[in-house]
Amino acid sequence: DGGITQSPKYLFRKEGQNVTLSCEQNLNHDAMYWYRQDPGQGLRLIYYSQIVNDFQKGDIAEGYSVSREKKESFPLTVTSAQKNPTAFYLCASSQLLGRGYTFGSGTRLTVV
Amino acid sequence: AQTVTQSQPEMSVQEAETVTLSCTYDTSESDYYLFWYKQPPSRQMILVIRQEAYKQQNATENRFSVNFQKAAKSFSLKISDSQLGDAAMYFCAYNNNDMRFGAGTRLTVKP
Repeated sequence: DGGITQSPKYLFRKEGQNVTLSCEQNLNHDAMYWYRQDPGQGLRLIYYSQIVNDFQKGDIAEGYSVSREKKESFPLTVTSAQKNPTAFYLCASSQLLGRGYTFGSGTRLTVV
Repeated sequence: AQTVTQSQPEMSVQEAETVTLSCTYDTSESDYYLFWYKQPPSRQMILVIRQEAYKQQNATENRFSVNFQKAAKSFSLKISDSQLGDAAMYFCAYNNNDMRFGAGTRLTVKP
């Protein structure tokens, strides 16, 4: 079945470390997105990519980086510059404007 | 930037009754799409219903329907015959180039 796979489900990071969250899709979607979810704030857009080798910053890109070397993969790196990285991270993909997004099951990142 | 506002942080409904969740948005665009997503405790985002802004007819999906008021920039979700499985966070979303979400409404269904 086609879908989006996010891994790991839970991730623990020590302060000062970079960590990378994986997002893979086999839906042949062109566009992919990363959102951060905090309690009471809904989903906030971090980065998005509409085509391979191209991506744009969302509303809260500071402290994060992405790459889009393959159509099916859009990894997110949370760098040490992100001051409050503890959150739930959701990856999504879409093909056509207006058809909605398909979401992964998320990664819960905790700084220890 | 487009903003989406959900003014009800929490709502409660009796099983089998009807509940309406509110959503307003701000945009200068004329063509866009609106969505309601459901997020149960598993945290998986599930598409509930979508509305195309150029269509005046309100979308309906089984027990879920919307009241889309384009001039008022309002997009409410009505859930009829509420079931225990409807308990979840509900997010309203605006989609043009990317998708912007409201803060969510937590719906509780009482047996």
